[in-house]
Amino acid sequence: LAKTTQPISMDSYEGQEVNITCSHNNIATNDYITWYQQFPSQGPRFIIQGYKTKVTNEVASLFIPADRKSSTLSLPRVSLSDTAVYYCLVGDEGIKAAGNKLTFGGGTRVLVKP
Amino acid sequence: KAGVTQTPRYLIKTRGQQVTLSCSPISGHRSVSWYQQTPGQGLQFLFEYFSETQRNKGNFPGRFSGRQFSNSRSEMNVSTLELGDSALYLCASSLAPDRVYEQYFGPGTRLTVT
Repeated sequence: LAKTTQPISMDSYEGQEVNITCSHNNIATNDYITWYQQFPSQGPRFIIQGYKTKVTNEVASLFIPADRKSSTLSLPRVSLSDTAVYYCLVGDEGIKAAGNKLTFGGGTRVLVKP
Repeated sequence: KAGVTQTPRYLIKTRGQQVTLSCSPISGHRSVSWYQQTPGQGLQFLFEYFSETQRNKGNFPGRFSGRQFSNSRSEMNVSTLELGDSALYLCASSLAPDRVYEQYFGPGTRLTVT
């Protein structure tokens, strides 16, 4: 599995856009990029997944450059409730036989201030 | 659709005892994975079950075991509890085998070993 590197923490203010960049230099051809959000004392929550270019859903956008060696999770107009830890994961979505090999790194602790 | 449920939510045990945790996946999800989360080690993969078979196992001692039933519900067991087993135990389900990285987590069971 490709190793990921993301900032340990980030501070922001309500209404701002938060961008978290994840580096994955050894990403493989079949690997997808997936982001999770975790609030204290809760399980992680799937946010978004992408393979290349840009993916957008009701929660966030995911920007992936052509070389795919990094990706940026963008949270528009954050609120206090977006304070959480955000995890970037990279791996092969199509590993049917091998099964789950989900590996979480340290994540990025985002603090949204009023 | 109901989410992943875990019981009990909180548990206090003493060293040397054993414990069984239960997880009910989202209806239709056949893959169930277990994770241990501690402040020091982060989120670590324990094992994954699909169709009542363990497909993958993380780097944990044999005291940690699990099983899956025909209705996809899963249990994990920890025998001879140690203080270091105090953690949040998370269960996740997915529509295996094609959506391994889109996992849905339960609220977790907070285990405290004294």
